Amino acid sequence: GAVVSQHPSWVICKSGTSVKIECRSLDFQATTMFWYRQFPKQSLMLMATSNEGSKATYEQGVEKDKFLINHASLTLSTLTVTSAHPEDSSFYICSARDSGWETYNEQFFGPGTRLTVL
Amino acid sequence: QKEVEQDPGPLSVPEGAIVSLNCTYSNSAFQYFMWYRQYSRKGPELLMYTYSSGNKEDGRFTAQVDKSSKYISLFIRDSQPSDSATYLCAMSSGPGNQFYFGTGTSLTVIP
Repeated sequence: GAVVSQHPSWVICKSGTSVKIECRSLDFQATTMFWYRQFPKQSLMLMATSNEGSKATYEQGVEKDKFLINHASLTLSTLTVTSAHPEDSSFYICSARDSGWETYNEQFFGPGTRLTVL
Repeated sequence: QKEVEQDPGPLSVPEGAIVSLNCTYSNSAFQYFMWYRQYSRKGPELLMYTYSSGNKEDGRFTAQVDKSSKYISLFIRDSQPSDSATYLCAMSSGPGNQFYFGTGTSLTVIP
């Protein structure tokens, strides 16, 4: 149980284009999902918290107009990187919090999406 | 000062060795402590989850929390080459609160 998927796993795009990354909780409902960014040999940096049915909460320094988050259902959140530039190249990881009380504080991570912007 | 400090390593040990991984933190409000394992180019996988101080054991893995020293540890007994990965500590102050991650320690177990 507690499986989180991400799609695509790897994407290469040209500078200036937009890229959408999907995060799905496959066997549980997730009222809250998180989006992280990870650079090589560095830890996960929280970008934003996505709450089902409401606006995402962005961490300081993260441009909300550039990183659009939509959490339209209890099993799906999307991150759209708009007008991507080479400096946006990174490993993007989502996690989901199970709405069930027993595991409420646990976060289950997706496999990550590697974005390369040329 | 970072919320969570973790030695990035790299750490290299022979197969069968006992591995000790550690994190320190500054926020005394942290109550929940997690260890994640991350293989290269993969998402983190939850290994251990503990609440407050004390020890927790799961197979070859033991997690220790010392809140008085703001210090947590993960021990791996009889280490295997398949344990080679980056180990991340994470902590939060309460249910639903933000997770704070260490930078991760890269471990290589040599056959």
